[in-house]
Amino acid sequence: SQQGEEDPQALSIQEGENATMNCSYKTSINNLQWYRQNSGRGLVHLILIRSNEREKHSGRLRVTLDTSKKSSSLLITASRAADTASYFCATEYNQGGKLIFGQGTELSVKP
Amino acid sequence: DAGVTQSPTHLIKTRGQQVTLRCSPKSGHDTVSWYQQALGQGPQFIFQYYEEEERQRGNFPDRFSGHQFPNYSSELNVNALLLGDSALYLCASSLNGKEEQYFGPGTRLTVT
Repeated sequence: SQQGEEDPQALSIQEGENATMNCSYKTSINNLQWYRQNSGRGLVHLILIRSNEREKHSGRLRVTLDTSKKSSSLLITASRAADTASYFCATEYNQGGKLIFGQGTELSVKP
Repeated sequence: DAGVTQSPTHLIKTRGQQVTLRCSPKSGHDTVSWYQQALGQGPQFIFQYYEEEERQRGNFPDRFSGHQFPNYSSELNVNALLLGDSALYLCASSLNGKEEQYFGPGTRLTVT
């Protein structure tokens, strides 16, 4: 079974708009990571946030983590058509251990 | 510096057959994890290898087995294939104890 649930399952926006994806999980974690997947190929690591962190930024990405609510959000600002992909959150209990993925959000950015 | 590589890219097998998938980790990495991703789902952890030993295992039957070689490369073997084994199989490598895992492009297995 999968750890997390992602919301929404699908998101369609126009270029230039912001995209927000949410992830919830069930038990305590060491860290939470976000990945991107294009067309069912390999996963690309986007950003990692540790359980003692609340917010991280990387370029146009902003991730928040609320351990009291067991939830995280990924914000992509000023989206581009090239951002069209599936986005997955993954939780890790033990550093370097297995990742437990959510079911993903399919993002479509229209030019 | 080569990233994680997997072979083959695509594979078609018949029910009941056996399959071996291969993974070469990113240079400098010593830990390999395997994931199964069914269509429309997130990846599910199969197992992780470190120092040629299976260190962690997910909820997969014994038909799924693996191996890690001294050069850290790894194989995933699946016996008695079922239609439900059709999926994208992803390999990820990391440095022991480090959080970030690097994924390969995957092997798409179709069982007919």
